[in-house]
Amino acid sequence: QSVLTQPPSASGTPGQRVTISCSGSSSNIGTNYVYWYQQLPGTAPKLLIYRNNQRPSGVPDRISGSKSDTSASLAISGLRSEDEADYYCAAWDDSLSGWVFGGGTKLTVL
Amino acid sequence: EVQLVESGGGLVQPGGSLRLSCAASGFTFSVYDMHWVRQATGNGLEWVSTIGTAGDTYYPGSVKGRFTISRENAKNSLYLQMNSLRAGDTAVYYCARGQGGLAFDIWGQGTMVTVSS
Repeated sequence: QSVLTQPPSASGTPGQRVTISCSGSSSNIGTNYVYWYQQLPGTAPKLLIYRNNQRPSGVPDRISGSKSDTSASLAISGLRSEDEADYYCAAWDDSLSGWVFGGGTKLTVL
Repeated sequence: EVQLVESGGGLVQPGGSLRLSCAASGFTFSVYDMHWVRQATGNGLEWVSTIGTAGDTYYPGSVKGRFTISRENAKNSLYLQMNSLRAGDTAVYYCARGQGGLAFDIWGQGTMVTVSS
């Protein structure tokens, strides 16, 4: 069982907006940055969002992140077939003195 | 080009040892924290260890006392010494870099470790 909780699956049709949630606690999301990663099948994870809502260069602005209290969300608007992937949230946990990941959300583009 | 390349994976018997390496290029290795993250087939990402720029190390309880992370800045290399391996350690092991508020921003392609008799 992961310290950060994500829904196992999400779906949407092309052009739609989907959100993926990540729930934690005061020792991780509540006090530290949240990160989001995309993992396409058979490839290494790729950083999508850092410091809660910042996008690395090359990540389109239709992808956004937000954080409130002990939860965070990843939003993808204008959904495209190439967005079909697994998505993970992560944060440092002060109580564990280590990094924690969510269990991952498989996004399906219908 | 910024790149991380892992090596050293393979098949090992339960109780055995393995040493993974990660070769870094395209950036100033010494100023970055470095991490190992693993992923069992069909499962999610699991943080394995971190080494800071000052050599400080961090591990989750699942590997503490069995795994040792180290770095050799002169060779732009990261290592993971894995001892007392168990079937549950079977996974693809990724190395990744981080700095300040930019964690796991670059990942290697991964190396597969299989623990089986």
